[in-house]
Amino acid sequence: AQSVAQPEDQVNVAEGNPLTVKCTYSVSGNPYLFWYVQYPNRGLQFLLKYITGDNLVKGSYGFEAEFNKSQTSFHLKKPSALVSDSALYFCAVREGNRGGGFKTIFGAGTRLFVKA
Amino acid sequence: KAGVTQTPRYLIKTRGQQVTLSCSPISGHRSVSWYQQTPGQGLQFLFEYFSETQRNKGNFPGRFSGRQFSNSRSEMNVSTLELGDSALYLCASSLGPVGQAGETQYFGPGTRLLVL
Repeated sequence: AQSVAQPEDQVNVAEGNPLTVKCTYSVSGNPYLFWYVQYPNRGLQFLLKYITGDNLVKGSYGFEAEFNKSQTSFHLKKPSALVSDSALYFCAVREGNRGGGFKTIFGAGTRLFVKA
Repeated sequence: KAGVTQTPRYLIKTRGQQVTLSCSPISGHRSVSWYQQTPGQGLQFLFEYFSETQRNKGNFPGRFSGRQFSNSRSEMNVSTLELGDSALYLCASSLGPVGQAGETQYFGPGTRLLVL
């Protein structure tokens, strides 16, 4: 079974500093990897995804993620954090079944706090 | 284009009752998935529908059921509610079957269910 791990429950960073939210994955076959963000009392918003191609994926709101096959990681990064980036971040992997159906498996989430 | 809508947004029920939640996907999207989000278990996959067919199901008891209509709108039903069913229920839609070419899922704001 496929899985993702987010080793940090919380990440604290000062505004203007670079941020990294870590994610490692375990899949059989080619991975479909995603990052989502959730603001309080809201649903999940799509940030970016890796399907194939360049290992560096650029997404919404200045976020990017680097796919590293040898380290089975897909860390989320941003060069300069904003206070408004404070939210809950989820890494996810897509898993298929033999019947053609699919599901998204989410990590536990990492809460990002950006201090002014 | 309107996003994914979920109704109702908030719901309070008592143990033993049943509840029906509704999800309207983005226009043109034919795949709908449901997720349960709780502080303890995080985001867990419930089921996925495409063209009125359930293609994948998570590890939830039979009290949880769903269906999809010909217009792609989906409902999920929980019978004989338990206290542990209190959660945020999220619906997500995508253009085609989840997983085809790593299609992105777009999430609704969720329905927050409280079981007393």
